[in-house]
Parts: sequence; structure tokens; C-alpha cells
Amino acid sequence: AQKITQTQPGMFVQEKEAVTLDCTYDTSDPSYGLFWYKQPSSGEMIFLIYQGSYDQQNATEGRYSLNFQKARKSANLVISASQLGDSAMYFCAMREGGTGGFKTIFGAGTRLFVKA
Amino acid sequence: GAVVSQHPSRVICKSGTSVKIECRSLDFQATTMFWYRQFPKQSLMLMATSNEGSKATYEQGVEKDKFLINHASLTLSTLTVTSAHPEDSSFYICSARESLRTDTQYFGPGTRLTVL
Repeated sequence: AQKITQTQPGMFVQEKEAVTLDCTYDTSDPSYGLFWYKQPSSGEMIFLIYQGSYDQQNATEGRYSLNFQKARKSANLVISASQLGDSAMYFCAMREGGTGGFKTIFGAGTRLFVKA
Repeated sequence: GAVVSQHPSRVICKSGTSVKIECRSLDFQATTMFWYRQFPKQSLMLMATSNEGSKATYEQGVEKDKFLINHASLTLSTLTVTSAHPEDSSFYICSARESLRTDTQYFGPGTRLTVL
């Protein structure tokens, strides 16, 4: 069963506008963490933002914010004021605690294209 | 932030040969390291989890005799692709868990393997 779902294979956004990348997850573990990573064409995985399952507030990191809706099991990434350099693949990931063994699994990814 | 290195960054080998990829945590001790494989335009697939001093735990469908993992020290894990075939050509990414201070997973820059 797929645990991380990213339904948008590709997204376009105009420079300076905001964009939301969708992510839903599935777990029965009460303790888990949700991550977003950016992967440019160079291949490196760049950590963007983290949300813990017990965190009461949505995580924010600069232009990145995570819209965490626990009951809906969604963890959408919002990028504000898009820049040309934001064009890349974006992966949502989940790390389960307890029986998950700390391993992190990834969604299929969303390719973001920022237009000038 | 903590740094994880991989060597080599790129390798081309002939079919039937073995290739070793090193993953090092440069400024922290990593009790757990993970190996991922990423095919073009696809997501990262977890291959195995290795804990220092013990045998690696392989994900379902990953051949442990083909992908040998050794985590001999707290800063080094190696992945050896034995008797490589063209279908093993992929981007291999390691990641290391820093568990003492931040309990964060850091990713290496990846190794691109091409088997001719």
C-alpha cells in the first residue's frame, strides 16, 4: 500500500506567485514525521521543512510552509513568492516512529516549473 | 548542517564487475545509514537500512547477495553492487541518521552508476 501520495506529477507557477504542492500520507503509527525535500537537476536532496505528528502549529521555514491537516492526513507544501531557482523536483516523505524503524519513505514527487 | 559524502560521484563499469560506493558522515556519528536507489524521473526507493556493527535490513525485493552493505564504523557505510548488469544503472543515494543531538537524517550527494 502506498504510504505517501503526491498526485501532481508536474506544476507550473508564475514567478513571484505562491504555489501549493499536495501530499497525503497513510500511517497507523501515532508518532511520525513529515518532510519535504527539493531535488534540483544535480540530484542532491535538499531538506526544506519538517512537521512532527505532535506539533500543534504548522511548520514554517522562510518561504516554505507546511499546511498540516492531521485528520485529513495531508501535509501540503506552500511556497510563497516563487523564484526561478525553485524549479526542481519536490518530494514529500514520511518517517514513522516505533515499528517504522526510523526509515524514511518518499512520495513519487512533483516537478515544479517556475515561469518568468 | 551535518555533511554526508559519497564516493565516487559517478562510476562507469562493465557488465559483470563489482562496484563499491562509500558513504561517510563527516562531522557526526551515524548509528544508522540508509541506501536508496532512484531511477530517472522516479522517486527514491529505500533499498536497505544498516546499523553499525550489525547486518543490514533489506527492503522487500532487494537482493542482499547482489547489494552488499557493510556498516563497519560509525562514520562509514559501503554499498557493493556485485556482478553489475545494465539494469543496475541508477542513482544511488545514501543517508545517515544523526541520533545524538538533532536526530536528523542527512543525505549524501548521490552516486550515478552506469553499467555498460
